[in-house]
Amino acid sequence: DTGVSQDPRHKITKRGQNVTFRCDPISEHNRLYWYRQTLGQGPEFLTYFQNEAQLEKSRLLSDRFSAERPKGSFSTLEIQRTEQGDSAMYLCASSLAWGHKAEKLFFGSGTQLSVL
Amino acid sequence: ELKVEQNPLFLSMQEGKNYTIYCNYSTTSDRLYWYRQDPGKSLESLFVLLSNGAVKQEGRLMASLDTKARLSTLHITAAVHDLSATYFCAVDYSGTYKYIFGTGTRLKVLA
Repeated sequence: DTGVSQDPRHKITKRGQNVTFRCDPISEHNRLYWYRQTLGQGPEFLTYFQNEAQLEKSRLLSDRFSAERPKGSFSTLEIQRTEQGDSAMYLCASSLAWGHKAEKLFFGSGTQLSVL
Repeated sequence: ELKVEQNPLFLSMQEGKNYTIYCNYSTTSDRLYWYRQDPGKSLESLFVLLSNGAVKQEGRLMASLDTKARLSTLHITAAVHDLSATYFCAVDYSGTYKYIFGTGTRLKVLA
């Protein structure tokens, strides 16, 4: 399968713990995005990478959130000292984009985080 | 800050009927996307609209973009049950590739 894969699918953690999610984009896709979605809402932009460079990061993202894409392939999203408000679906998307040409984002199935 | 609003938020319609979903955004953008999300599933790209007056059609769905009015529409023709889903528009924030999503329109097509 060549789709975007995310791991784990579900994560339950206690408040204050750290969690890390992984995203494997479609191979050869150069852009990778992280979004967060809560029930009944649209996805909220968190950050995106062009290859290994993190080019945009939401101002709403606290310092507890960090993302990496070390070799321009897979990416990890870490949340430190989780809070109940972090409970959400974390979506990863990838695209093949050049310059200002239109890009089509392919989304993964997401990681559902529940903070108790 | 870019705001993207959709209306209606909920739409219940009979099969065979036509309806339009509206997406308004607050700042200049020339790149707008429509996505579909089924319950418990991820998002699927439907349309990419890149310029003023752009129109795209796929089956019973047609999307258009008016950049001067900062408005996109998703028109549903002769709705069928399979179109039941949540539809999101997403706008590129000032060419940054930071896509801002609307709140979504939950569509339910009744047989």
